[in-house]
Amino acid sequence: EADIYQTPRYLVIGTGKKITLECSQTMGHDKMYWYQQDPGMELHLIHYSYGVNSTEKGDLSSESTVSRIRTEHFPLTLESARPSHTSQYLCASSKQHTEAFFGQGTRLTVV
Amino acid sequence: SQELEQSPQSLIVQEGKNLTINCTSSKTLYGLYWYKQKYGEGLIFLMMLQKGGEEKSHEKITAKLDEKKQQSSLHITASQPSHAGIYLCGADIQGAQKLVFGQGTRLTINP
Repeated sequence: EADIYQTPRYLVIGTGKKITLECSQTMGHDKMYWYQQDPGMELHLIHYSYGVNSTEKGDLSSESTVSRIRTEHFPLTLESARPSHTSQYLCASSKQHTEAFFGQGTRLTVV
Repeated sequence: SQELEQSPQSLIVQEGKNLTINCTSSKTLYGLYWYKQKYGEGLIFLMMLQKGGEEKSHEKITAKLDEKKQQSSLHITASQPSHAGIYLCGADIQGAQKLVFGQGTRLTINP
């Protein structure tokens, strides 16, 4: 069983609020990822990290930011939430050239 | 353009029937991973293929890797309602520093 956790599982928040989605893994993986996924649709990579102090933007333009101060922690922050940010956010981690393990996801609704 | 192409995008089969899902890469594959996702949840890792000709099975699900064609197929034998969900292939591909995913295949099993 994968040891990667996302909190919260569900979040409803008002437009303009600042939010942070948490992701933690206890497997010591160097690589971590954030994906955005609308229901039944494909995954879109928004951020990834190779290790501590390394972060890269993904394929999908995003108004979010990430940080990687510790190996196990990769939080995603939205400075000002908008209805267009409503989606499911999935965090994953992996070693080099091995499968990625996914968290359960955070379903975000911005009203 | 999509680096990993999955087909079909949607599949409806009668319970008990066999089915195949394909995943084709436009570049050299270093590793191919199959995942299953239930609606609104995270991705569950099924199996990993790394060598040409490799074949792995998990219960009634078998996956193969054709290195020459840069393609993997996922085959389900005698499908059951529990097989319903979205199947995604992911891969480490040449020239990409991150894990890439196909668009997903939505599988529905009719009783």
